[in-house]
Amino acid sequence: DAKTTQPPSMDCAEGRAANLPCNHSTISGNEYVYWYRQIHSQGPQYIIHGLKNNETNEMASLIITEDRKSSTLILPHATLRDTAVYYCIVRVLRDDKIIFGKGTRLHILP
Amino acid sequence: GAVVSQHPSRVICKSGTSVKIECRSLDFQATTMFWYRQFPKQSLMLMATSNEGSKATYEQGVEKDKFLINHASLTLSTLTVTSAHPEDSSFYICSARFSGGRGYTFGSGTRLTVV
Repeated sequence: DAKTTQPPSMDCAEGRAANLPCNHSTISGNEYVYWYRQIHSQGPQYIIHGLKNNETNEMASLIITEDRKSSTLILPHATLRDTAVYYCIVRVLRDDKIIFGKGTRLHILP
Repeated sequence: GAVVSQHPSRVICKSGTSVKIECRSLDFQATTMFWYRQFPKQSLMLMATSNEGSKATYEQGVEKDKFLINHASLTLSTLTVTSAHPEDSSFYICSARFSGGRGYTFGSGTRLTVV
């Protein structure tokens, strides 16, 4: 079973920041938080990952709470092309598998 | 870097025939690849883990004789859906693990339609 809880859907206005929450209250100390997204009829795309510090790359920022029980993915300036299902996943680096939960379907509104 | 190429992107086959889907790592060696299937409006479901040079490991409930997986080289894994039926129609996605912290990269998927 997936170890994360995400809202099933969210809306965000184009040009605004999209903040996608994820609860992972049972996360272990050696588990990383990964975010992927899946645009319709495509394979998942890696976005970002982190352990306990906040992370930022060219696509997004990842904010992890101090107790690591939740995190937020931030898309700073959402565009229509960011419409996708976003998956938050926790895993140990050496783990073989990625198990997907139901994710959050993000709708970017023009 | 770390690109996985999956072919074909779409395939239509007749019921009872077999279909092979290829997954290639283009610029890295993948000792481990994974196969998922996805039904409409559902999440990805892991079917099996493909290990180069050894037998694949199937998830519970996945028929290994129906979904044949071969991982004969460090850059190629294949999934063969044998004796396909309409209920096998789905979106099949492969992924490969690579070093560098990002973990996994995914193919673009294969939409299989069995008629």
